Amino acid sequence: EAGVTQFPSHSVIEKGQTVTLRCDPISGHDNLYWYRRVMGKEIKFLLHFVKESKQDESGMPNNRFLAERTGGTYSTLKVQPAELEDSGVYFCASSALGDGYTFGSGTRLTVV
Amino acid sequence: GENVEQHPSTLSVQEGDSAVIKCTYSDSASNYFPWYKQELGKGPQLIIDIRSNVGEKKDQRIAVTLNKTAKHFSLHITETQPEDSAVYFCAVPDTGRRALTFGSGTRLQVQP
Repeated sequence: EAGVTQFPSHSVIEKGQTVTLRCDPISGHDNLYWYRRVMGKEIKFLLHFVKESKQDESGMPNNRFLAERTGGTYSTLKVQPAELEDSGVYFCASSALGDGYTFGSGTRLTVV
Repeated sequence: GENVEQHPSTLSVQEGDSAVIKCTYSDSASNYFPWYKQELGKGPQLIIDIRSNVGEKKDQRIAVTLNKTAKHFSLHITETQPEDSAVYFCAVPDTGRRALTFGSGTRLQVQP
């Protein structure tokens, strides 16, 4: 079974530019989550999809962040325009029934 | 929301020794307690979890204990090996939501 795939693995962009992160969950997993870890601190929740619907987006920091999951398959997280404080590692995770998540390897975003 | 505190932030042990990491949480309604291991360049990987109807769960060299009265749970690694070196995170689901609140992480270094 293929795991959760994220790309790119690294992205370096200038402040004010746009970046789009992609996550391919495990096939058949209806639940998809985005988290991020900033500056070596704790991993913080961003949002949760159930299929194509946003179930919980309470962790999204501001309206510069836009997440989509068209067709309930892969998801994208767009940051526009990027700011310096957006630097960090963005993780995607998916799950079927129950509580166990499978995380992807993350995208390390550096805004300069 | 849920508040999770994790200690210690760093832990160095000699190969073969035991390691213990502790987390406390705030919401007494929480009933699922996973532990994740994050190796360099990878995403967090679920290594063990426990539900509130049991006090201890073991899987080979790894065990988790839960004290619901005191609202804390601990990860125990016995006979540590260099490959156990990683960052370990505890997590607790937010009540009524699928989002996880993570502890701040413990960097475990096993010295050969």
